[in-house]
Amino acid sequence: GNSVTQMEGPVTLSEEAFLTINCTYTATGYPSLFWYVQYPGEGLQLLLKATKADDKGSNKGFEATYRKETTSFHLEKGSVQVSDSAVYFCALSDPAGGTSYGKLTFGQGTILTVHP
Amino acid sequence: KAGVTQTPRYLIKTRGQQVTLSCSPISGHRSVSWYQQTPGQGLQFLFEYFSETQRNKGNFPGRFSGRQFSNSRSEMNVSTLELGDSALYLCASKLAGALQETQYFGPGTRLLVL
Repeated sequence: GNSVTQMEGPVTLSEEAFLTINCTYTATGYPSLFWYVQYPGEGLQLLLKATKADDKGSNKGFEATYRKETTSFHLEKGSVQVSDSAVYFCALSDPAGGTSYGKLTFGQGTILTVHP
Repeated sequence: KAGVTQTPRYLIKTRGQQVTLSCSPISGHRSVSWYQQTPGQGLQFLFEYFSETQRNKGNFPGRFSGRQFSNSRSEMNVSTLELGDSALYLCASKLAGALQETQYFGPGTRLLVL
């Protein structure tokens, strides 16, 4: 079945440091890939997405490139801020079998804490 | 445009009771999905509705059920509550259900079963 594996957390960084959160996936088809962010007490917000190989999603300084050869979708940001502290989820939507329309498969989440 | 809304935001129930949660999708969105979020299991897919029909279902017992109305609003019901049902229940909507579409999430309903 489909699965998403994120790097073990939590991740603690100082402000302006470089961020990488690794995400690899297993899927039977050609999935669309997403990064969602969850702030304390809130639901999930889409951060960025990519729908085909070699696509790069970007938003608010975050970037991730869909690498089919390594089945990866790593999240990066060049300079983090305290306000980036949140939980980050990698997810995929897999068309295999034609029955997965609304289903997102999530990674376990990575807690990011940024200190001033 | 208003986002996805969920009611109630918080609920406390006791074992054996049943509960109904409500979700109003973004206007014009016809697909509604439900997820359960717990510290141990993470985010797990419950089911998805599109045009009042359940189109996909996750691996949850039959105590978990849902429905969608003609205005795309959705409800999920959990009968005979167990302690392990304590979780954040998230609803998400998208326009027409295509795979590459973005799902927009509501703030969730936090259910505590005592």
